[in-house]
Amino acid sequence: GAGVSQSPSNKVTEKGKDVELRCDPISGHTALYWYRQSLGQGLEFLIYFQGNSAPDKSGLPSDRFSAERTGGSVSTLTIQRTQQEDSAVYLCASSLDRTYEQYFGPGTRLTVT
Amino acid sequence: KQEVTQIPAALSVPEGENLVLNCSFTDSAIYNLQWFRQDPGKGLTSLLLIQSSQREQTSGRLNASLDKSSGRSTLYIAASQPGDSATYLCAVRLNSGSRLTFGEGTQLTVNP
Repeated sequence: GAGVSQSPSNKVTEKGKDVELRCDPISGHTALYWYRQSLGQGLEFLIYFQGNSAPDKSGLPSDRFSAERTGGSVSTLTIQRTQQEDSAVYLCASSLDRTYEQYFGPGTRLTVT
Repeated sequence: KQEVTQIPAALSVPEGENLVLNCSFTDSAIYNLQWFRQDPGKGLTSLLLIQSSQREQTSGRLNASLDKSSGRSTLYIAASQPGDSATYLCAVRLNSGSRLTFGEGTQLTVNP
């Protein structure tokens, strides 16, 4: 079946602009995660959604970052007033629920100029 | 705070060699441990998932072991091939959480 998909694959934006990154999880997966991978920081957790429960936002680096998950499926990560330090690869993952194996999408490479 | 360390950071071997990648973690209260492979410019591919109650998992030429009490896992790759060249990442999930905490990875190069 189809894996996790993300769009766009690449995004170049000017400092100060807002961006939206999209994630389509594997069908039937109730858990969805966002991670960020940047040079010197490795892979870091951002936010986690599980069904209709309140999301775990403890990894979001600042209040410029937000995410939502509509209808328990597609998720959008929004970064407002982008800064150069936001440049990274943003990875989305999904799993059947929080205890199962996580499957990752190909990522969105964000470059802030 | 859980910390995950992978040794070595980089490894270069000739084709056909058996090799071991190491992963250590500071908090032994883990739910499971997952090994991933990442090719340049790509996302992560899950290789093996070991539950905390398990000692090892095998998939083809790959074997992962887990010693939870000592905070260690190893990924053994038998008869390495050039196509195995990639970065290998270890990640752990705590009992109390849902997120994965990742190591920095081991960059493997298998030379023909």
